[in-house]
Amino acid sequence: DVKVTQSSRYLVKRTGEKVFLECVQDMDHENMFWYRQDPGLGLRLIYFSYDVKMKEKGDIPEGYSVSREKKERFSLILESASTNQTSMYLCASSPGTGSGNTIYFGEGSWLTVV
Amino acid sequence: DQQVKQNSPSLSVQEGRISILNCDYTNSMFDYFLWYKKYPAEGPTFLISISSIKDKNEDGRFTVFLNKSAKHLSLHIVPSQPGDSAVYFCAASLHSGYALNFGKGTSLLVTP
Repeated sequence: DVKVTQSSRYLVKRTGEKVFLECVQDMDHENMFWYRQDPGLGLRLIYFSYDVKMKEKGDIPEGYSVSREKKERFSLILESASTNQTSMYLCASSPGTGSGNTIYFGEGSWLTVV
Repeated sequence: DQQVKQNSPSLSVQEGRISILNCDYTNSMFDYFLWYKKYPAEGPTFLISISSIKDKNEDGRFTVFLNKSAKHLSLHIVPSQPGDSAVYFCAASLHSGYALNFGKGTSLLVTP
């Protein structure tokens, strides 16, 4: 089974703090993703990476950055946390591109910014 | 611009009956469609998928139908069970794409 592990399930941070969300996958997948889920807005793509050290902006990259130094690890960074970044963050991975490209998600990280 | 739309935010069905969840898309270049199921405080789990070369795919109680001309797909759950109560997300991808485009989800409640 594919396993995507997010290191922190629940975090509470203060406005202005730098926040790191870590994600590791164990299936040697090429692609990794960060989404956020908010009520009524569905799943929105923040950033994704299709190779080590490569990254692409998704639909809502503002206020975020990412790092992929190793194939199995993809980190999401909130440079200066704000209250509107309170959300559930979902890391995911997938093996390739195109047809049949199923994405597998981690358990999610609940971030509250106060 | 939302390219994948789930116009029903919620649906309530009695146990044992059929649940039908609908999804519309606008991009005719999408060629792979998926349904995910999500319980509260958990990540989405892959449920079933369909390629654009097919119009139906079955997996146990779950069947996905694709109508390309209408740019519409639906997920049928028969018979519905209380454990099916969750949020269901429809998603679509491009042939050369990486990420999935998700709908906003439909919350299904199956009542005993």
